[in-house]
Amino acid sequence: DAMVIQNPRYQVTQFGKPVTLSCSQTLNHNVMYWYQQKSSQAPKLLFHYYDKDFNNEADTPDNFQSRRPNTSFCFLDIRSPGLGDAAMYLCATSRSGTGGYNEQFFGPGTRLTVL
Amino acid sequence: ILNVEQSPQSLHVQEGDSTNFTCSFPSSNFYALHWYRWETAKSPEALFVMTLNGDEKKKGRISATLNTKEGYSYLYIKGSQPEDSATYLCALFQSNTGNQFYFGTGTSLTVIP
Repeated sequence: DAMVIQNPRYQVTQFGKPVTLSCSQTLNHNVMYWYQQKSSQAPKLLFHYYDKDFNNEADTPDNFQSRRPNTSFCFLDIRSPGLGDAAMYLCATSRSGTGGYNEQFFGPGTRLTVL
Repeated sequence: ILNVEQSPQSLHVQEGDSTNFTCSFPSSNFYALHWYRWETAKSPEALFVMTLNGDEKKKGRISATLNTKEGYSYLYIKGSQPEDSATYLCALFQSNTGNQFYFGTGTSLTVIP
């Protein structure tokens, strides 16, 4: 039944050790998003894909990169995690078209801990 | 940075009580306002997508209103139940910011049996 799947649900990494979070969807949606949510803060958009068209938010650190090899999968790569990167990472999808009118479908998130 | 504010930050109510909370946002360039419910250990789920000033939407015991001119939306829960316990997030979509959604920090609701 799960439509947006994120693996793993919990990820522990060491300071500076690259880590990859994954997201897959069964909805065949064109748009995929990655959000970062730190404790007691609002989810913040890192980047999104419209099909293969990648859109990076201006304030997303260079340390964060993403790949979307096909419609179903999207990856978030953190090249050198710092303590400040510890957060919940949410993946979401939506149908294409007039983006604001389409609800987003979220995965359950991956909680990243950096030691 | 666009400011979407939600109040209160947290709320405890007794089972059976009705409750409401607020999402405030800049009224300029309004395009859509989304409400999501996020239960612990689950995925956020869409409740409503609101686009027109004066919109009122309802899903069971939950309803929402929208005022785009003054920049606020209310979410109402009638006769709260323990299963309504969750964080309720609103997200603003503006017409001039590509595919960018701006989320509030959420209202955490606990319904006490």
